[in-house]
Formats: sequence, C-alpha cells, structure tokens
Amino acid sequence: NAGVTQTPKFQVLKTGQSMTLQCAQDMNHEYMSWYRQDPGMGLRLIHYSVGAGITDQGEVPNGYNVSRSTTEDFPLRLLSAAPSQTSVYFCASSITIAGGSYEQYFGPGTRLTVT
Amino acid sequence: DQQVKQNSPSLSVQEGRISILNCDYTNSMFDYFLWYKKYPAEGPTFLISISSIKDKNEDGRFTVFLNKSAKHLSLHIVPSQPGDSAVYFCAASNSGGYNKLIFGAGTRLAVHP
Repeated sequence: NAGVTQTPKFQVLKTGQSMTLQCAQDMNHEYMSWYRQDPGMGLRLIHYSVGAGITDQGEVPNGYNVSRSTTEDFPLRLLSAAPSQTSVYFCASSITIAGGSYEQYFGPGTRLTVT
Repeated sequence: DQQVKQNSPSLSVQEGRISILNCDYTNSMFDYFLWYKKYPAEGPTFLISISSIKDKNEDGRFTVFLNKSAKHLSLHIVPSQPGDSAVYFCAASNSGGYNKLIFGAGTRLAVHP
C-alpha cells in the first residue's frame, strides 16, 4: 500500500512550457485534491475531485487544468508555465461522504521551478 | 483575507516541557479542524482533528482544544520531544462542502534538549 505517490519530485521549466504533474493513490479514495505551498503561506487548494469524471476549482485555479478519468489518478496540468507558479505542489486524497469532513492523506510533493 | 491564522511563525521549547501552538479562524461556517505536521521535503501528515461539537480531543501526547466563541483552537504537546520538531499547520473545513481544507501559514516548532 503505497498511499499517495507523486512524480516527478523535482522539475525545472522555462516560462511558457507546459507539463503534467502526476498523482496516484491506491486507497480507493473518492476525493483527491491539489495544493500548492509557497514560503510563509499555508497550503492553498488549486483543484479538487469528488470522484472519477467530477472536478471543481479551489482557491487558486488559474493556469492549471485537471481531469479525473479513474479513481486512482488525478494529474495536474500546467498549460503555459509562469515564474509565479514556482512552488511546491502536493496531491492529497481522502474518503468522502456528503456532509462529512475527513483527514486527507498527502503525497511527498513536487518542487517546481519556473525560470 | 486569511480565514485561518497562525500568528506565531516559530516556537522554541525545551524537551519534556509543554508545547502550545495556537490557531484562530474567522469563518463561523467551519465545523471541522485538523492539525498537520510537516517535516522538510515531505508531505504533511495528519496529526489530530476535532469536530465543532466537541471542545477537546486527545490522542496520546497530543490534545486539541476548541473555543468556538473565541474562534480559537490550540494544540498541546506534552511532553515535547526532539522528534516533534517540525512545521505544524492548522486547517479548517466546512462539512457542508466537499472536504476543502483552508490552511494556516504554519508554526515551526523546535524542541531542544
């Protein structure tokens, strides 16, 4: 049981390039989410998904796309990288039942630098 | 507008003593609160949570207290150990939504011998 895995661990992009951050979980969790963490700030929600085929925006969605074709995978796409997207990105998952709140399990993170 | 605030960026405590980390929130719709611990180069790990129907939850050395009228919660670690040195994040959510967590900026705890 690997939990939540993320690849790559590190990535350097040039401004304007696109890339996909991968996230997978093997806990059969319906709920998955992407956060970014910047210095001096807490984690901020980018996008989330409550199940395969269902996604929605979080606090800071601009510049990012997501899709959820399977329960296990939730990739995050940067369409045209900007220096403001330099950050550490965390994927998380949890069970979800409407009307409930549950702890989320986080992956190890991807450190992205955009030059 | 920060809905969850951790006003102390850092805290230094001697081994064996109590560590108290504080968190304030502004949104009265929050009804579930969590503490996460984060080591460098790792993802946050869940520590303890509390529902708004309670005012205290305990798990071993960790206790979380919730004061709804003051919109304040605190995490107590007793006794503190050097392995507790990490960044601690407070987070809040509204169970009427979809488990979206709002995080504070974190407090770096250093426990020294």
